[in-house]
Amino acid sequence: AQKITQTQPGMFVQEKEAVTLDCTYDTSDPSYGLFWYKQPSSGEMIFLIYQGSYDQQNATEGRYSLNFQKARKSANLVISASQLGDSAMYFCAMREGSMNTGFQKLVFGTGTRLLVSP
Amino acid sequence: NAGVTQTPKFRVLKTGQSMTLLCAQDMNHEYMYWYRQDPGMGLRLIHYSVGEGTTAKGEVPDGYNVSRLKKQNFLLGLESAAPSQTSVYFCASSYERRSVSETQYFGPGTRLLVL
Repeated sequence: AQKITQTQPGMFVQEKEAVTLDCTYDTSDPSYGLFWYKQPSSGEMIFLIYQGSYDQQNATEGRYSLNFQKARKSANLVISASQLGDSAMYFCAMREGSMNTGFQKLVFGTGTRLLVSP
Repeated sequence: NAGVTQTPKFRVLKTGQSMTLLCAQDMNHEYMYWYRQDPGMGLRLIHYSVGEGTTAKGEVPDGYNVSRLKKQNFLLGLESAAPSQTSVYFCASSYERRSVSETQYFGPGTRLLVL
C-alpha cells in the first residue's frame, strides 16, 4: 500500500492567490513526522515545513502552512499569496517513529507540479 | 558552508560502463543517503549509512554499491551501468538523532543517462 499519496499531478494558481496541495498518508505507527519539500526546475530539494504526529497545532513557516487532519490522515500544504517563484514540484514525505528498526526511512509521495501564473 | 555537494552534475554512460558518484557534506552529519528520482515515482532510497564505515540497503539497492570511508563522504558506485539506471540521483544527510522530526538536507542532484 502507498504510504504517501499525492493525488494532484498538477495544480494551477494565479499569483497572489492561495493554493492547497493534497497529501494523505498511511501508517499505524502513533509516532510519525510529515515533511514537505519543494523542487524547483533547477532540481534541488528544499525543505519547507515539518509536522509531528503529536503536535497540537498546525505547522507554519512564513507563507507555508500545513493543514494537519490526523483522523483523516491528511497533511495538506497551503501556500498563501502565491508568487511566480513558487512554481515547482512539491513532495510530501513521512517518517515513521518505530524505534525497533533503529533507522527511520523517509518515504516520499510522487509529487505535485504547481504552476503559478501572472 | 557548502552543505551537501554532489559530483558530477551530469554524466552520460554506455551500457556496461562503471562510475562513482561522490557526495560530500560539511555539516558533520552522521547519516547519509542516496536516492534516485524517476518520473512519476518520487524519490526512492537506494542505500544509506548511519555512520562512518557503515552502509545498509534501502528500497532499491540492486545494481549499486556504496562506501562511507570518511564521515563527510558517501560514494555511490555503478559497476556495470544499465539503461534502467538512467535517473536523477540525490544525496542527502542528517544528524543522528533518532527522531521523526530529523530533517534531511539534499544535494543538488546528479543526472545520469545510460545509453
